[in-house]
Amino acid sequence: GAVVSQHPSWVICKSGTSVKIECRSLDFQATTMFWYRQFPKQSLMLMATSNEGSKATYEQGVEKDKFLINHASLTLSTLTVTSAHPEDSSFYICSAPQGMRGYTFGSGTRLTVV
Amino acid sequence: EDQVTQSPEALRLQEGESSSLNCSYTVSGLRGLFWYRQDPGKGPEFLFTLYSAGEEKEKERLKATLTKKESFLHITAPKPEDSATYLCAVQAGSNFGNEKLTFGTGTRLTIIP
Repeated sequence: GAVVSQHPSWVICKSGTSVKIECRSLDFQATTMFWYRQFPKQSLMLMATSNEGSKATYEQGVEKDKFLINHASLTLSTLTVTSAHPEDSSFYICSAPQGMRGYTFGSGTRLTVV
Repeated sequence: EDQVTQSPEALRLQEGESSSLNCSYTVSGLRGLFWYRQDPGKGPEFLFTLYSAGEEKEKERLKATLTKKESFLHITAPKPEDSATYLCAVQAGSNFGNEKLTFGTGTRLTIIP
């Protein structure tokens, strides 16, 4: 089946630094990638939608200058958290549409900002 | 605005004790309702897609059903390995397959041996 590989699985960074999260579609081409954030014991909240070759679409309340999304190719989408702060600590997950199977999700990235 | 509400928030069952999880939704133009399983620290794993009222799907000990207002995930004779958070999500819109999913807050299911 379709697989989305997400890296890193966890990262700890210092406040003020930037962190890049990568999602790769391994056996299919992902023209669209959704990026979600999940806080403990809460559900997935959509942050933005990336489309290969065009600018990402951000949900209301999500700072596009802080969460930089690049969909450089049909197999790679990246999320960069710039100038990270402790409140950005969360679980970040990417997902790609799979038609009738809904969406294939990456394994998630646990970001801790100290 | 699309809304998805799941209940209960948490459920503890004895092994073998059957039960149901509820997902109520309000959406304009439902294209699909999805059930996912999520283990701690991992991404959601696809279980079912339902498209129209009256539809049912089964997989091992799980069966999902759909009405015009809600969906149920029935779990029969659960085992400890069924312990996870079960997420419900809806997809609406005209561009089927590329529209975002709206998720409920999930039901944390714990099966006690």
